[in-house]
Amino acid sequence: QSALTQPASVSGSPGQSITISCAGASSDVGAYNFVSWYQQHPGKTPKIIIFEVTDRPSGVPDRFSGSKSGNTASLTISGLQAEDDADYYCCSKRTDSAYVFGTGTKVTVL
Amino acid sequence: EVQLVESGGGLVQPGGSLRLSCAASGFIFSNYWMGWVRQSPGKGLEWVANIRKDELEIYYVDSVKGRFIVSRDNARSSLYLQMSSLRVDDTAVYFCVRWGLRGAVDYWGQGSLVTVSS
Repeated sequence: QSALTQPASVSGSPGQSITISCAGASSDVGAYNFVSWYQQHPGKTPKIIIFEVTDRPSGVPDRFSGSKSGNTASLTISGLQAEDDADYYCCSKRTDSAYVFGTGTKVTVL
Repeated sequence: EVQLVESGGGLVQPGGSLRLSCAASGFIFSNYWMGWVRQSPGKGLEWVANIRKDELEIYYVDSVKGRFIVSRDNARSSLYLQMSSLRVDDTAVYFCVRWGLRGAVDYWGQGSLVTVSS
């Protein structure tokens, strides 16, 4: 049950767009549309920002968007803001009904 | 307001046991899949276990199979994680979570720290 692969860090200036990739396999990301993304600020609990690949829970800004192609999912943050400085994790359901998180990406707003 | 409150964490020696509890409120507990996610100090998130609302389906990450048991008491709106044969690499903050969205966690507890050390 290996973790999904994310870049360790991504950075951007305020107003720019960044994309975080989440590479999995045909047994997880590629198998279902049950990919979710979580934002975690230091010392805080994670917060859901995307579920079912593209859906945003109410209250999450529309500058957060998700997509998937094959075995890789992506999170795009458009119009980067200072409060987006945080850790981001993807998560996918697996074909054995287990779940697996990504390795995590530190987003730095320059 | 949905609340998940963990308890039972602490310091335990390698090979020891510990039972975590999670008291849920603010929603109909018996309607939801629940689970545990852990995070080692300074590390990433790791899914640990899920349990269906009627306990008929339970799943674990490979590294805890045979050592951890997840259970629930719908009458008490409580979730449990019985951990045994604990190892140093089980040291983590354990979060009680609600799988309230399709394939996603919508609520997290504040977490309970489990430290396995001699």
